[in-house]
Amino acid sequence: DGGITQSPKYLFRKEGQNVTLSCEQNLNHDAMYWYRQDPGQGLRLIYYSQIVNDFQKGDIAEGYSVSREKKESFPLTVTSAQKNPTAFYLCASSIHRSQPQHFGDGTRLSIL
Amino acid sequence: LAKTTQPISMDSYEGQEVNITCSHNNIATNDYITWYQQFPSQGPRFIIQGYKTKVTNEVASLFIPADRKSSTLSLPRVSLSDTAVYYCLVVFRDNYGQNFVFGPGTRLSVLP
Repeated sequence: DGGITQSPKYLFRKEGQNVTLSCEQNLNHDAMYWYRQDPGQGLRLIYYSQIVNDFQKGDIAEGYSVSREKKESFPLTVTSAQKNPTAFYLCASSIHRSQPQHFGDGTRLSIL
Repeated sequence: LAKTTQPISMDSYEGQEVNITCSHNNIATNDYITWYQQFPSQGPRFIIQGYKTKVTNEVASLFIPADRKSSTLSLPRVSLSDTAVYYCLVVFRDNYGQNFVFGPGTRLSVLP
């Protein structure tokens, strides 16, 4: 089955630790995205990548970092600089930035 | 400042037509408007995408006026399973690049 896989589904982090969220797609899509969703709110763009080895910051990139070394993978690291990391994180991909985005099922990050 | 607005919530009865409008000032000239449906604890699912005038697929229609400052998602004959949050997604461009901006979401409740 083609799709986007985010792992893990639930993640707990101690304060001061970095944590990496995985996002893998086998749709052969060029573009990939990371969004953050807080309870009862819409999605906000953290980072996006139009092609391998390229990525741009979204509205709320501070405290986050990404890499795009392979077309299929776009991991997101939540660093200790992110002071309020508790949220639902969604990864998406699209054939091209102007085409519809396909989303994974998300990772819920909580702070212990 | 890139901004989209949507009604926070709407109620409807089964079998009725529902229209949800998204307002978006300063939308990028060459980019599409896309609508998504989201159920709790899941990633958004693509519904429909359009650039201008009217687009129709098997589940919805999308109306976009000539000035493209708004768009209206039309769901014909809704059922209980259409109870969800609906988001518009538009692309804004500024001197720093492009940004993918989701609306705040409209919570649709379909009543029997």
